Amino acid sequence: NAGVTQTPKFRVLKTGQSMTLLCAQDMNHEYMYWYRQDPGMGLRLIHYSVGEGTTAKGEVPDGYNVSRLKKQNFLLGLESAAPSQTSVYFCASRPSSGGGYNEQFFGPGTRLTVL
Amino acid sequence: DQQVKQNSPSLSVQEGRISILNCDYTNSMFDYFLWYKKYPAEGPTFLISISSIKDKNEDGRFTVFLNKSAKHLSLHIVPSQPGDSAVYFCAASPGGSEKLVFGKGTKLTVNP
Repeated sequence: NAGVTQTPKFRVLKTGQSMTLLCAQDMNHEYMYWYRQDPGMGLRLIHYSVGEGTTAKGEVPDGYNVSRLKKQNFLLGLESAAPSQTSVYFCASRPSSGGGYNEQFFGPGTRLTVL
Repeated sequence: DQQVKQNSPSLSVQEGRISILNCDYTNSMFDYFLWYKKYPAEGPTFLISISSIKDKNEDGRFTVFLNKSAKHLSLHIVPSQPGDSAVYFCAASPGGSEKLVFGKGTKLTVNP
């Protein structure tokens, strides 16, 4: 049981390049989330999904797109990377029922640098 | 405007003593509060939570206290251990929302 995994772990992009971050979970969770964490800041929600085929905007969605074609995967895309998107990106998931409310399980993070 | 505030960026405690981490919030719609622990180069891990209908929740060495009138919660760790050294994030969620709002975190160092 790997939990929540993220690919890649590190990436360096040039301004204007595009990339996709992959999040996978093997816990059969309904809900999945993408966050970013900037130095000295808390995590901020980018987008989230409450089930396969659904997505919704979080607190800081601009410049990102997401897709949830399969229940176990949640993809975060950057169409034209900007230096302001340099950050550590965390994916999280949680079941729709059982356990406490909104207790999310996090992946190890992807460190992205945009030059 | 920060809705969840952790005003102490760092805290240093001796092993065996109590660690008290504080968190204040401004949004009265928050009704569920969580604490996460984060080690370097890892994702946050859930530690303990509390619903707004309670004022205390305990799990082993960890206790969270909620004072709704003051919009304040605290995490107590007793006794503190060196392995507790990490960054602790307070997070809050409005009723019926999927959105978690995080504080900036407090770095706890437990000295042997």
